[in-house]
Amino acid sequence: QAQLVQSGAEVKKPGASMKVSCKASGYSFTGFYLHWVRQAPGQGLQWMGWINPKTGDTNLAQDYQGRVTMTRDTSINTAFMELSSLTSDDTAVYYCARETSRGLGGWGQGTLVTVSS
Amino acid sequence: DFVVTQSPLSLSVTPGEPASMSCRSSQSLLQSNGYNYLDWYLQKPGQSPQLLIYWGSSRASGVPDRFSGRGSGTDFTLKISRVEAEDVGVYYCMQALQTPYTFGQGTKLEIK
Repeated sequence: QAQLVQSGAEVKKPGASMKVSCKASGYSFTGFYLHWVRQAPGQGLQWMGWINPKTGDTNLAQDYQGRVTMTRDTSINTAFMELSSLTSDDTAVYYCARETSRGLGGWGQGTLVTVSS
Repeated sequence: DFVVTQSPLSLSVTPGEPASMSCRSSQSLLQSNGYNYLDWYLQKPGQSPQLLIYWGSSRASGVPDRFSGRGSGTDFTLKISRVEAEDVGVYYCMQALQTPYTFGQGTKLEIK
């Protein structure tokens, strides 16, 4: 059964960086793109970008270009999303989601990142 | 960027009654292959989003048949034939035709 398990909650200072992991199991990690979506408290969903785990290619939303890095380690079936220069506006739950040919069919449990001084 | 707009923003429905919500895209989501790249997701309270409908009208695996998606091009509708208590949450549509993928603001479904 396909599953995505994300790293635990983090508290970061303004200006710092965060790195969230997303470990895949139960399917071929390199066979499906992984997307990152975030949700600020009480707000809607915002797409951040995707990574092709096979090639490492990424497609990043303009809003995050220059601040976000998406990488993967195929030896441990894990994708990473790193966001730098954090502000309080980056306080959110960050989700990874697997793209199948039929939508974002599986989501991680989410990782809450709180940016606070 | 494609702008996706949902309405209404909230809905209160009696169990057993139908519910309907709308999603509109600023540009057509119909690709030349005949598929509409519009998905519907439900985020239940305290949970991650889950896929309900893909390609505008195809139910994802395990989704009850009381959920149906219709529409093409720029106008889409999600219908629930008979609402149940477990259907509460926020329903999001998302266009997946072109990056950046964009979500609607969500429609919050409550039970009367």
